[in-house]
Amino acid sequence: ETGVTQTPRHLVMGMTNKKSLKCEQHLGHNAMYWYKQSAKKPLELMFVYSLEERVENNSVPSRFSPECPNSSHLFLHLHTLQPEDSALYLCASSQDGIGLAGYTFGSGTRLTVV
Amino acid sequence: RKEVEQDPGPFNVPEGATVAFNCTYSNSASQSFFWYRQDCRKEPKLLMSVYSSGNEDGRFTAQLNRASQYISLLIRDSKLSDSATYLCVVTAPDTGFQKLVFGTGTRLLVSP
Repeated sequence: ETGVTQTPRHLVMGMTNKKSLKCEQHLGHNAMYWYKQSAKKPLELMFVYSLEERVENNSVPSRFSPECPNSSHLFLHLHTLQPEDSALYLCASSQDGIGLAGYTFGSGTRLTVV
Repeated sequence: RKEVEQDPGPFNVPEGATVAFNCTYSNSASQSFFWYRQDCRKEPKLLMSVYSSGNEDGRFTAQLNRASQYISLLIRDSKLSDSATYLCVVTAPDTGFQKLVFGTGTRLLVSP
């Protein structure tokens, strides 16, 4: 399998649930990212990992917890979310931690919090 | 002021038309520039990088004006399949790395 794959594609969860989003890249890239895309808003950077070390935590609430066990996998652990957290969550990877060659995105997880 | 500003559109054009999108960015330290394309309910995909000298890829031409902090994308001979949202993206320095900053996108609708 090639590219960046994300699972699940769709997720509906209650505010008291705990769930995890998974991202896997097969491109040999060194950096991985989590973005949030809400309706009529630009993509918002949440977390950046370069060589498995977190280099950015963009003032994201603690109810979102990232994990990067190796350079190919990235997780986003979710707990006690709010309805306003409903959005498309996109994972991306890049060759370097700077992203000067652009990013490759996964298909995203469409999250609905009820 | 938004870091990256785009006209949200939609731009409604007939097949075969030429259409241009503009984008302005606020951070003069931005070093790299891109156009991404996003289809409805899909992920963004890199369309092309934008170079200072301007660059062309088939029917698509991108221009950069660093002095005015302005980027453009020209699409010639529009196809139905060009209907999508076009995202202007720039890099911006952050603590120790360059992050990508996305505009909200310009929606293009090409009709028969």
